[in-house]
Amino acid sequence: KQEVTQIPAALSVPEGENLVLNCSFTDSAIYNLQWFRQDPGKGLTSLLLIQSSQREQTSGRLNASLDKSSGRSTLYIAASQPGDSATYLCAAYSGYALNFGKGTSLLVTP
Amino acid sequence: SAVISQKPSRDICQRGTSLTIQCQVDSQVTMMFWYRQQPGQSLTLIATANQGSEATYESGFVIDKFPISRPNLTFSTLTVSNMSPEDSSIYLCSVQGWTGGAAGYEQYFGPGTRLTVT
Repeated sequence: KQEVTQIPAALSVPEGENLVLNCSFTDSAIYNLQWFRQDPGKGLTSLLLIQSSQREQTSGRLNASLDKSSGRSTLYIAASQPGDSATYLCAAYSGYALNFGKGTSLLVTP
Repeated sequence: SAVISQKPSRDICQRGTSLTIQCQVDSQVTMMFWYRQQPGQSLTLIATANQGSEATYESGFVIDKFPISRPNLTFSTLTVSNMSPEDSSIYLCSVQGWTGGAAGYEQYFGPGTRLTVT
């Protein structure tokens, strides 16, 4: 069974810093990996999807990388803003449904 | 992409009662997924619902506790039966959209239903 782990569980940074969120998965046989954002009490917003043959995907200040062979993905957030404060979830898709990590709770302080 | 709506957005229910959550999608989809997110935890798949067939439940979830209906390709309901405080969670409906490439499917989520059982 696919196990997805996210480190750190929580992170607090001052506004303007660049930061990296880490995700690892145990089964490298994935089709894609998705990064989501979840605001308190809300549903999930898809941020980036990386297919298994890709190395990285970019959207604005966000850059996600994927190393399938080592079972790792990172989400890089440049020039963080208070509005980036949320929980970030990664999820691996292996052909059926998504397997989620527990998330990284990010707080960006002004 | 798909736009998903859920009703209710939140509810507070008494122990022993049941609540039915509705999920509506703006396009026809084959598979719909129901997830649960307990406080401080990540998402756990409850079941997959295909139109015209019985839902497929994940380990630890049973039909008597979480009956699911899937009457057509744009709608599904999840019922949380005989509720206890341990059922207090966010329940999310989800669908997959074909990316058209090697990435396979991308997953989209509804806004969730926040359930509190007292």
